[in-house]
Amino acid sequence: GQNIDQPTEMTATEGAIVQINCTYQTSGFNGLFWYQQHAGEAPTFLSYNVLDGLEEKGRFSSFLSRSKGYSYLLLKELQMKDSASYLCAPMDSNYQLIWGAGTKLIIKP
Amino acid sequence: GAVVSQHPSRVICKSGTSVKIECRSLDFQATTMFWYRQFPKQSLMLMATSNEGSKATYEQGVEKDKFLINHASLTLSTLTVTSAHPEDSSFYICSARDYSSSYNEQFFGPGTRLTVL
Repeated sequence: GQNIDQPTEMTATEGAIVQINCTYQTSGFNGLFWYQQHAGEAPTFLSYNVLDGLEEKGRFSSFLSRSKGYSYLLLKELQMKDSASYLCAPMDSNYQLIWGAGTKLIIKP
Repeated sequence: GAVVSQHPSRVICKSGTSVKIECRSLDFQATTMFWYRQFPKQSLMLMATSNEGSKATYEQGVEKDKFLINHASLTLSTLTVTSAHPEDSSFYICSARDYSSSYNEQFFGPGTRLTVL
């Protein structure tokens, strides 16, 4: 079957760094997306990895290891507005996104 | 970036009535649109994949006669919840795939919160 495994909830301090891990199993693989979702809102695109390695985009970086079925999202210089759920979504062989429940990130002052 | 709009953003209706939700891609053509439902603190659940000019493909367990999907143009898909019941109350989100983008990513509409009384 297809599944996503992410921590349910994480807490971090404003200004710090946090890494959100994701392991996945899919039928085929066409890349992995990270989305941010604030409560009551739709997801917004953060990053996409299709090759192994690190993609950096400002304060956010995303890493992928296809052989390990593993990805992480790294958030630096955390701000209060980063409090949200972070969704790891791999794309399977049919180009369908597979969704888990996401990681709720709580930022404390 | 690509923009997807959704209307209405909130709707309250009586049990037994039908509700139509519109999803539009504003600055790109979307041959494929997706409809999701999300209950509180749960993951996005794909309901159906909508391809322009053809019938939608529904996920297992989703009643196609209850959730009518029409994708009549490259920029508009509609979801009609027929004979709505309180258990249909949820957050409905559409997304559209922009095939011209580098990543084939899905851009999401802002969502529609449906409350059935």
